[in-house]
Amino acid sequence: GAGVSQSPSNKVTEKGKDVELRCDPISGHTALYWYRQRLGQGLEFLIYFQGNSAPDKSGLPSDRFSAERTGESVSTLTIQRTQQEDSAVYLCASSLAGGQGAAGELFFGEGSRLTVL
Amino acid sequence: LAKTTQPISMDSYEGQEVNITCSHNNIATNDYITWYQQFPSQGPRFIIQGYKTKVTNEVASLFIPADRKSSTLSLPRVSLSDTAVYYCLVAAYSSASKIIFGSGTRLSIRP
Repeated sequence: GAGVSQSPSNKVTEKGKDVELRCDPISGHTALYWYRQRLGQGLEFLIYFQGNSAPDKSGLPSDRFSAERTGESVSTLTIQRTQQEDSAVYLCASSLAGGQGAAGELFFGEGSRLTVL
Repeated sequence: LAKTTQPISMDSYEGQEVNITCSHNNIATNDYITWYQQFPSQGPRFIIQGYKTKVTNEVASLFIPADRKSSTLSLPRVSLSDTAVYYCLVAAYSSASKIIFGSGTRLSIRP
Protein backbone atom coordinates (compact mmCIF):
# COMPACT_ATOMS: atom_id res chain seq x y z
CA GLY A 1 0.00 0.00 0.00
CA ALA A 2 0.88 3.64 -0.12
CA GLY A 3 1.42 3.98 3.61
CA VAL A 4 1.44 2.11 6.89
CA SER A 5 -1.98 0.66 7.56
CA GLN A 6 -3.27 -0.22 11.02
CA SER A 7 -6.42 -1.99 12.09
CA PRO A 8 -8.71 -1.67 13.83
CA SER A 9 -8.69 2.11 14.04
CA ASN A 10 -10.77 1.91 17.20
CA LYS A 11 -11.29 -0.94 19.63
CA VAL A 12 -13.40 -0.96 22.76
CA THR A 13 -13.07 -4.00 24.96
CA GLU A 14 -13.85 -5.17 28.43
CA LYS A 15 -11.25 -5.62 31.10
CA GLY A 16 -9.78 -9.11 30.98
CA LYS A 17 -10.36 -9.68 27.26
CA ASP A 18 -7.58 -10.27 24.76
CA VAL A 19 -7.07 -7.88 21.84
CA GLU A 20 -5.06 -8.13 18.66
CA LEU A 21 -3.85 -5.10 16.71
CA ARG A 22 -2.56 -5.35 13.19
CA CYS A 23 0.03 -3.36 11.24
CA ASP A 24 0.72 -3.52 7.52
CA PRO A 25 4.04 -1.77 6.86
CA ILE A 26 5.08 -0.10 3.63
CA SER A 27 6.19 -2.73 1.14
CA GLY A 28 9.95 -3.23 1.24
CA HIS A 29 10.44 -1.70 4.67
CA THR A 30 12.57 -4.03 6.73
CA ALA A 31 12.16 -2.30 10.09
CA LEU A 32 8.91 -2.17 12.03
CA TYR A 33 8.19 -0.47 15.37
CA TRP A 34 5.32 -0.49 17.83
CA TYR A 35 4.74 2.43 20.19
CA ARG A 36 2.11 3.20 22.79
CA GLN A 37 0.83 6.72 23.34
CA ARG A 38 -1.39 7.50 26.29
CA LEU A 39 -3.59 10.58 26.17
CA GLY A 40 -1.49 13.74 26.25
CA GLN A 41 1.76 11.79 26.56
CA GLY A 42 4.74 11.07 24.34
CA LEU A 43 5.45 7.86 22.46
CA GLU A 44 6.49 4.87 24.54
CA PHE A 45 8.63 2.33 22.69
CA LEU A 46 7.28 -1.23 22.84
CA ILE A 47 9.04 -3.49 20.34
CA TYR A 48 11.21 -3.33 17.22
CA PHE A 49 11.61 -5.79 14.36
CA GLN A 50 14.46 -5.63 11.85
CA GLY A 51 14.38 -8.12 9.02
CA ASN A 52 14.91 -11.66 10.24
CA SER A 53 16.82 -10.62 13.36
CA ALA A 54 15.46 -11.33 16.83
CA PRO A 55 13.10 -8.51 17.82
CA ASP A 56 14.02 -5.98 20.49
CA LYS A 57 11.29 -6.54 23.06
CA SER A 58 12.82 -4.37 25.74
CA GLY A 59 9.89 -1.92 25.79
CA LEU A 60 7.08 -4.39 26.37
CA PRO A 61 5.57 -3.39 29.74
CA SER A 62 4.54 -6.87 30.88
CA ASP A 63 4.23 -10.47 29.75
CA ARG A 64 0.64 -9.73 28.74
CA PHE A 65 2.07 -7.96 25.71
CA SER A 66 3.50 -9.82 22.74
CA ALA A 67 4.09 -9.13 19.07
CA GLU A 68 4.87 -11.14 16.00
CA ARG A 69 6.00 -10.35 12.52
CA THR A 70 6.15 -12.72 9.59
CA GLY A 71 9.24 -11.94 7.55
CA GLU A 72 9.08 -8.34 6.42
CA SER A 73 5.31 -8.11 6.26
CA VAL A 74 2.40 -7.84 8.64
CA SER A 75 2.86 -7.53 12.38
CA THR A 76 0.36 -8.18 15.13
CA LEU A 77 0.49 -6.82 18.66
CA THR A 78 -1.44 -8.91 21.16
CA ILE A 79 -2.49 -7.76 24.60
CA GLN A 80 -3.82 -10.49 26.85
CA ARG A 81 -6.13 -9.96 29.81
CA THR A 82 -6.43 -6.26 29.09
CA GLN A 83 -6.41 -3.76 31.93
CA GLN A 84 -7.76 -0.22 32.02
CA GLU A 85 -4.21 1.17 32.03
CA ASP A 86 -3.72 -0.43 28.60
CA SER A 87 -6.05 2.20 27.14
CA ALA A 88 -4.00 4.19 24.66
CA VAL A 89 -3.28 4.70 20.98
CA TYR A 90 -0.97 2.03 19.63
CA LEU A 91 1.15 3.33 16.78
CA CYS A 92 3.08 1.29 14.24
CA ALA A 93 5.91 2.64 12.11
CA SER A 94 8.10 1.17 9.41
CA SER A 95 11.34 2.25 7.77
CA LEU A 96 13.72 1.15 5.05
CA ALA A 97 16.62 0.61 7.40
CA GLY A 98 16.98 0.57 11.18
CA GLY A 99 15.56 4.07 11.61
CA GLN A 100 18.89 5.82 11.49
CA GLY A 101 20.32 8.22 9.00
CA ALA A 102 18.63 9.75 6.01
CA ALA A 103 17.40 6.39 4.79
CA GLY A 104 15.85 5.53 8.12
CA GLU A 105 12.86 7.89 8.19
CA LEU A 106 10.01 6.40 10.17
CA PHE A 107 6.61 6.27 8.50
CA PHE A 108 3.74 6.00 10.96
CA GLY A 109 0.26 4.61 10.63
CA GLU A 110 -2.78 6.40 11.99
CA GLY A 111 -2.79 4.22 15.07
CA SER A 112 -5.24 1.92 16.80
CA ARG A 113 -7.13 3.52 19.66
CA LEU A 114 -7.78 0.99 22.41
CA THR A 115 -10.27 1.64 25.17
CA VAL A 116 -10.53 -0.86 28.00
CA LEU A 117 -13.69 -0.52 30.05
CA LEU B 1 20.98 5.97 23.25
CA ALA B 2 21.40 9.71 23.75
CA LYS B 3 18.68 11.29 25.82
CA THR B 4 17.11 14.53 24.71
CA THR B 5 15.66 17.44 26.63
CA GLN B 6 13.26 19.93 25.10
CA PRO B 7 10.74 22.43 26.47
CA ILE B 8 7.40 20.94 27.37
CA SER B 9 5.44 23.66 25.63
CA MET B 10 5.79 26.88 23.64
CA ASP B 11 3.37 29.53 22.45
CA SER B 12 3.69 31.87 19.49
CA TYR B 13 1.64 33.89 17.02
CA GLU B 14 0.94 33.54 13.35
CA GLY B 15 3.65 34.96 11.14
CA GLN B 16 6.38 34.65 13.76
CA GLU B 17 9.51 32.53 13.54
CA VAL B 18 9.59 29.78 16.13
CA ASN B 19 12.77 28.17 17.40
CA ILE B 20 12.63 24.97 19.46
CA THR B 21 15.89 23.90 21.05
CA CYS B 22 16.75 20.35 22.03
CA SER B 23 19.64 19.36 24.30
CA HIS B 24 21.48 16.10 23.72
CA ASN B 25 24.65 16.34 25.77
CA ASN B 26 25.59 12.68 25.36
CA ILE B 27 25.27 12.54 21.58
CA ALA B 28 27.65 10.02 20.02
CA THR B 29 29.86 10.48 16.97
CA ASN B 30 27.63 8.45 14.68
CA ASP B 31 24.31 9.86 15.93
CA TYR B 32 22.03 11.84 13.64
CA ILE B 33 19.47 14.37 14.86
CA THR B 34 15.92 14.02 13.58
CA TRP B 35 12.77 16.02 14.23
CA TYR B 36 9.21 14.76 13.92
CA GLN B 37 5.87 16.58 14.02
CA GLN B 38 2.67 15.11 15.39
CA PHE B 39 -0.83 16.49 14.91
CA PRO B 40 -3.69 15.35 17.16
CA SER B 41 -5.06 11.92 16.27
CA GLN B 42 -2.23 11.26 13.81
CA GLY B 43 1.09 9.46 13.89
CA PRO B 44 4.27 11.55 13.89
CA ARG B 45 5.77 12.55 10.58
CA PHE B 46 9.38 13.30 9.66
CA ILE B 47 10.30 16.98 9.33
CA ILE B 48 14.05 17.26 9.03
CA GLN B 49 17.32 15.50 9.82
CA GLY B 50 20.91 16.60 10.15
CA TYR B 51 24.35 15.71 11.43
CA LYS B 52 26.09 19.06 11.79
CA THR B 53 25.89 22.73 10.77
CA LYS B 54 22.65 23.73 9.06
CA VAL B 55 20.05 21.86 7.08
CA THR B 56 17.10 23.50 5.35
CA ASN B 57 14.12 22.07 3.53
CA GLU B 58 10.75 23.40 2.44
CA VAL B 59 9.32 23.02 5.92
CA ALA B 60 12.02 24.01 8.40
CA SER B 61 15.66 24.63 9.16
CA LEU B 62 17.82 22.72 11.59
CA PHE B 63 20.78 24.39 13.24
CA ILE B 64 23.44 22.23 14.88
CA PRO B 65 26.45 23.83 16.61
CA ALA B 66 29.93 22.44 16.27
CA ASP B 67 29.81 20.48 19.55
CA ARG B 68 26.47 18.91 18.49
CA LYS B 69 25.24 18.92 22.10
CA SER B 70 22.11 20.74 21.08
CA SER B 71 20.04 21.48 17.99
CA THR B 72 17.44 24.08 17.10
CA LEU B 73 14.45 23.49 14.89
CA SER B 74 13.40 26.74 13.21
CA LEU B 75 9.93 27.16 11.73
CA PRO B 76 9.66 30.34 9.63
CA ARG B 77 6.46 32.37 9.63
CA VAL B 78 4.28 29.88 11.49
CA SER B 79 0.56 29.51 10.89
CA LEU B 80 -2.24 28.02 12.96
CA SER B 81 -1.67 24.71 11.19
CA ASP B 82 1.78 24.43 12.75
CA THR B 83 0.16 23.77 16.12
CA ALA B 84 1.48 20.31 16.97
CA VAL B 85 3.89 18.37 19.14
CA TYR B 86 7.49 18.38 17.95
CA TYR B 87 9.88 15.57 18.88
CA CYS B 88 13.66 15.65 18.77
CA LEU B 89 15.46 12.32 18.41
CA VAL B 90 19.06 11.25 18.22
CA ALA B 91 19.98 7.87 16.83
CA ALA B 92 23.02 6.23 15.29
CA TYR B 93 23.42 5.73 11.56
CA SER B 94 24.32 2.09 11.94
CA SER B 95 22.68 -1.26 11.98
CA ALA B 96 19.41 -1.88 13.73
CA SER B 97 18.47 -0.30 17.00
CA LYS B 98 15.29 0.94 18.61
CA ILE B 99 14.23 4.55 18.29
CA ILE B 100 13.22 6.28 21.51
CA PHE B 101 10.98 9.34 21.47
CA GLY B 102 11.08 11.90 24.26
CA SER B 103 8.11 13.85 25.57
CA GLY B 104 8.22 16.42 22.79
CA THR B 105 7.38 20.13 22.73
CA ARG B 106 3.75 21.12 22.43
CA LEU B 107 3.66 24.20 20.18
CA SER B 108 0.54 26.36 20.20
CA ILE B 109 0.11 29.03 17.57
CA ARG B 110 -2.39 31.83 18.18
CA PRO B 111 -4.01 34.21 15.65
